[in-house]
Amino acid sequence: NAGVTQTPKFQVLKTGQSMTLQCAQDMNHNSMYWYRQDPGMGLRLIYYSASEGTTDKGEVPNGYNVSRLNKREFSLRLESAAPSQTSVYFCAIGTRGFFGPGTRLTVL
Amino acid sequence: KQEVTQIPAALSVPEGENLVLNCSFTDSAIYNLQWFRQDPGKGLTSLLLIQSSQREQTSGRLNASLDKSSGRSTLYIAASQPGDSATYLCAVPSRRNQGGKLIFGQGTELSVKP
Repeated sequence: NAGVTQTPKFQVLKTGQSMTLQCAQDMNHNSMYWYRQDPGMGLRLIYYSASEGTTDKGEVPNGYNVSRLNKREFSLRLESAAPSQTSVYFCAIGTRGFFGPGTRLTVL
Repeated sequence: KQEVTQIPAALSVPEGENLVLNCSFTDSAIYNLQWFRQDPGKGLTSLLLIQSSQREQTSGRLNASLDKSSGRSTLYIAASQPGDSATYLCAVPSRRNQGGKLIFGQGTELSVKP
């Protein structure tokens, strides 16, 4: 029982490159969330999915897209990475805020 | 718009001291309030969740209180230990019945010295 897994753990991109962050859960929760954490800004919600087949914007969605592939998986895509997207990205599930270990992304 | 503030940003105490971390929020119409712990380079772990109808919750050496009318919550840590060193964050749902859409404070970084 891994709870919430995120891949990759670390990633370095060049400006303009694209990538997808993966999140998977084995806790059978309907809702899944993507946050980013930045020094001095705290955690901010990027996108969320209340249930399979639905997604909605959070506080800071610009530059990101998401896919709720099935009940287990929720991915976050950066189509054209920018240095401002350098951050730590966390996936969370459920209404109690069960968090994954994070992906540390650097955009050069 | 709900805003959550935590003061101080950092706190250093000697081992064994009792301490209080503060969290304030601007909109008192909250559904619940959670306290999380984050170790360096790690994800967040939920410590305590207080429902809006509750005044406090306890887990071991941790006690969280909630005063909705004043827009404040405190996390009390008794007999602090070096293992308590971490960043502590509080969070509230952005709207009622949207428990997972959380608004976070910026956290208090706690260091407990042996």
